[in-house]
Amino acid sequence: EAQVTQNPRYLITVTGKKLTVTCSQNMNHEYMSWYRQDPGLGLRQIYYSMNVEVTDKGDVPEGYKVSRKEKRNFPLILESPSPNQTSLYFCASSFTTGAYGYTFGSGTRLTVV
Amino acid sequence: GQQVMQIPQYQHVQEGEDFTTYCNSSTTLSNIQWYKQRPGGHPVFLIQLVKSGEVKKQKRLTFQFGEAKKNSSLHITATQTIDVGTYFCAGPFKTSGGSNYKLTFGKGTLLTVNP
Repeated sequence: EAQVTQNPRYLITVTGKKLTVTCSQNMNHEYMSWYRQDPGLGLRQIYYSMNVEVTDKGDVPEGYKVSRKEKRNFPLILESPSPNQTSLYFCASSFTTGAYGYTFGSGTRLTVV
Repeated sequence: GQQVMQIPQYQHVQEGEDFTTYCNSSTTLSNIQWYKQRPGGHPVFLIQLVKSGEVKKQKRLTFQFGEAKKNSSLHITATQTIDVGTYFCAGPFKTSGGSNYKLTFGKGTLLTVNP
């Protein structure tokens, strides 16, 4: 089944403790992206990747890092999480940016206390 | 900045009533996409419109792309409880560097249906 797999689904952590949210897709998509969704603010792009070893900032990149060492994986790293990063996170992938529909993962609900 | 505006933000209807959400872009778009997110779920791609004036139908859902390719609408005929969720439109905009495109989402319209 074609899908984007995110883990974990839920995570509660403490301020400053580094964490990684994993994202993997099995559709051979070149484009991958991370979004955060907050009430009243919609979906905001954090980082995106056009292909392996090619990443760039989205609209809200502060406090996040990403890497794209393999085509299928695009982890989101929070080096020192803060409470304002409490949010619902989605990974998405597509054949290319903007010309095809995106496939989203099931989401990761992150709470930073 | 480049953005996609969506109205209304919320819509509550009685089951069987029609529903429409509207999407407006600040610039002409090469295409527009629509997504649906059920409560507690993730956005799911519904459709993409590419041509000026294009109209596409999916059962009770009708999607339109404006002649100027700056606006779009989603109309649901005779809503059912299965239609509950947030509907997003999204359009590709050039990144600040100008060489790539990124998909920018509207804030969505939350549809609730009273059975």
